[in-house]
Order: sequence, then structure tokens, then C-alpha cells
Amino acid sequence: NAGVTQTPKFQVLKTGQSMTLQCAQDMNHEYMSWYRQDPGMGLRLIHYSVGAGITDQGEVPNGYNVSRSTTEDFPLRLLSAAPSQTSVYFCASSPGVGIGIYSPLHFGNGTRLTVT
Amino acid sequence: GENVEQHPSTLSVQEGDSAVIKCTYSDSASNYFPWYKQELGKGPQLIIDIRSNVGEKKDQRIAVTLNKTAKHFSLHITETQPEDSAVYFCAAPGTYKYIFGTGTRLKVLA
Repeated sequence: NAGVTQTPKFQVLKTGQSMTLQCAQDMNHEYMSWYRQDPGMGLRLIHYSVGAGITDQGEVPNGYNVSRSTTEDFPLRLLSAAPSQTSVYFCASSPGVGIGIYSPLHFGNGTRLTVT
Repeated sequence: GENVEQHPSTLSVQEGDSAVIKCTYSDSASNYFPWYKQELGKGPQLIIDIRSNVGEKKDQRIAVTLNKTAKHFSLHITETQPEDSAVYFCAAPGTYKYIFGTGTRLKVLA
């Protein structure tokens, strides 16, 4: 079991470029999510998915798109990178996160993104 | 709205001493409270969690206590060791998500 795998580990973009951060899990988890981590601000939810074909916005969704065509994969797309998107991005999965049903999150090791 | 406050933001203790980190939450319907440890360059990892039908849970040197009336829960680490140095996050459930505290950087001084 690899758990949650994120690629790449590091990325530098110029303002206006686009890219996709990859996330894959091999635990057959229905729930997947993307967080960004900035100093002093904890982990903020960008987008989440409760199952294949279903996605929804989190706390800070602007500038990001997601899709969930399979249970295993949940890519995060930056449409036009901005310096404010410089951050560490974490993908996390869980057997279930919903009303009355809460299981722990399993995190990947993150992608460190710098936008110049 | 849903909110989790975590204190302190940094904590330094001597090796062998105890460390306590406290979180408060706003949604009285919350019923599951996990704690995560994040080491440098890695993602957060679950270290202990508690559900609202118990007031305390222990796992070796780590314990979590929950006070539902006051809406706060705390992480207790006893006999701290250098490998306990890390950033710790508390979390509380929101609607189809978790809300995280802003983290506590724990330094255990040898």
C-alpha cells in the first residue's frame, strides 16, 4: 500500500502558467480533498470529493479546478498561476467524511509550489 | 460559522516534561476530534482521536481530553522526547470537511 501519492514534490511556475498537481490513493477511499498550507494559517480546504463524479468547493476554491473521474485519482488544476498561490499543497483521502460519519484523513507528503 | 482555535502557536519544553495543546470549537454538534502530527517535509499524520461519547482517550504517552460543555479538547504528551518535536494540528468536523486549527510548533529541548 503506497497510501496517498502526490506528484510533483516541488514545482516553480511563472505567473500565468497553468499546471496540474496529481494525487492518487490506493486505499479505495471514497472521500478525497485538497488543502493548502500557509504559515500561521493552518490547513485550508480548496476542493473536495465524496466519490467519483462528485466534487464541491471548500474554503478557498478560486483559481483552482478539480475533477474526479475515478475513485483513485483527484487532480488539482491551477488555471493561471498567481504569486498568491505559492504554498504547500496537500491531498488527503478518507473512507468517509460526511454528516454524522467521520473517519480520519490520510495525507500525502505534499507539493511545494512557488509562483514567481 | 465553523471555527477551531488552537493555542499556543509555539511551545518549548524540556525533555521529560509534559506538553499540553488546547483547541476550542464552535459547532456544538461536532462529535469527532482528531489530532495530527506533522514532521518537517511530510504530510500530517493522525496520532490520536476522540469521539464525543468519551471524555478521555490514552495511547501510551499521548492522551486527548474532551469537554463538550465548554467546547474544548486538549492533547497531552507526557515524558516528552526529542522525536516529539513537530507541528501538531487539531481538527473538528464541518459539513463534508474538517476544519483545522492553525497548528502548534512543539520543540523538545534535550
